[in-house]
Formats: sequence, C-alpha cells, structure tokens
Amino acid sequence: AQKITQTQPGMFVQEKEAVTLDCTYDTSDPSYGLFWYKQPSSGEMIFLIYQGSYDQQNATEGRYSLNFQKARKSANLVISASQLGDSAMYFCAMRGNQAGTALIFGKGTTLSVSS
Amino acid sequence: KAGVTQTPRYLIKTRGQQVTLSCSPISGHRSVSWYQQTPGQGLQFLFEYFSETQRNKGNFPGRFSGRQFSNSRSEMNVSTLELGDSALYLCASSVGQGYYNEQFFGPGTRLTVL
Repeated sequence: AQKITQTQPGMFVQEKEAVTLDCTYDTSDPSYGLFWYKQPSSGEMIFLIYQGSYDQQNATEGRYSLNFQKARKSANLVISASQLGDSAMYFCAMRGNQAGTALIFGKGTTLSVSS
Repeated sequence: KAGVTQTPRYLIKTRGQQVTLSCSPISGHRSVSWYQQTPGQGLQFLFEYFSETQRNKGNFPGRFSGRQFSNSRSEMNVSTLELGDSALYLCASSVGQGYYNEQFFGPGTRLTVL
C-alpha cells in the first residue's frame, strides 16, 4: 500500500524567508512519481513540481525546489523567498507504476505568509 | 491552452436526489480522474478514465459512477445523495496514465447536500 505523510498541519513564515514543507512516503513500487500541489482558498489545485523516483537531480521550478532523499523516502518542498500569495494549503502526492494505482495525497500543510 | 473546466461550480441538492457533474479536460489529454475532498477525509480518489474506459476505482459505494466520452469529456453521477456526500469534487486531466504524467486540476464543483 502507498502512503503519504505530511506531519506539519500549519507553518508560519515571514515574507522573503525560505520555508520547507515536509513529506514522507511509503511505497513498494520501484518506479513512482512525487508531486506537490498548492490549493488556495478558492479551491483549485495548482500543480507545482514533479520528481520521478529515478531522477538523479532534485527538481526545481522557479522558487520551488524538491529536496528528494530516496533512502529516507522523503520529498520535502522548499519555497524560497516566500510571498504573501504563497499562503495556501500544500499537498504532497504520489503515484506508483503498478497498474491500478492512483494519485494519493497527504493531509496537507497550511502555509501562512505574513508581511 | 484552456485549462480543465468543471460545471457546475456550485450545487445544492437534498438527500435522496441524484446529481451529475461534468468535466472537460485540457485539449489532448485523454485521462480524467475524479477526487472527493472533505475536511474530515481529505482528498480521496474516486475513479480514473482513459479512452472511455474506467481504468481504476477508489473505495466508494456504487452510488458513485462515471463515464467518459469519445472527446475525453467526463461526467460523474451520484445517486441517492446522502449528507456525507457534501464535498468539493475535483476533476483532473493528464496526457496519459503513466505515473510521471502530471495531473492538472479543474476549479472543482462544490456540492452541498441538505
């Protein structure tokens, strides 16, 4: 069975500071993808970044980077230079390669950015 | 390119009624997945369609059903609504079914069951 764990219900950060959102996962699939999504109060899920299990380098997308530590089964999201607009719920998700597996989500972390 | 669209955005129904939600994927995307989001259970997978065939199904009762049309548009239906069906229903589309395919989400349909 696959599982995603996000242990931080809420995080608070000041503008322009960096913040790390934690995510650990469990799977028996040798091939899998890890995703981070942002959900503002409007409800829409916004794709942020993807990391494949065989990718040698950590993924980066603008101010977002994924700190992938395969041996520890962790895929933390790092947001550099936080902005007020980053305030939202953040979800870590995973999908395995076996037939019939779906994208599963963690419980999410609420990020609040203050000025 | 237009994003994923979902209609209606908001819906209020009463117990026992049925409801149909619609999802139009991004052009060229052939896979459509549905999720239910509630404060208590979080995001839960409902089902996935690819090329008009249901490829995967979550742990939901048979009252929840769906289908996909030849143009990849998808609908989900919930019959005999219960209070617990009140949720945000999210549709996501991707190019294919591979684990490496990003899923892009629509704005969701917020269903309230009274």
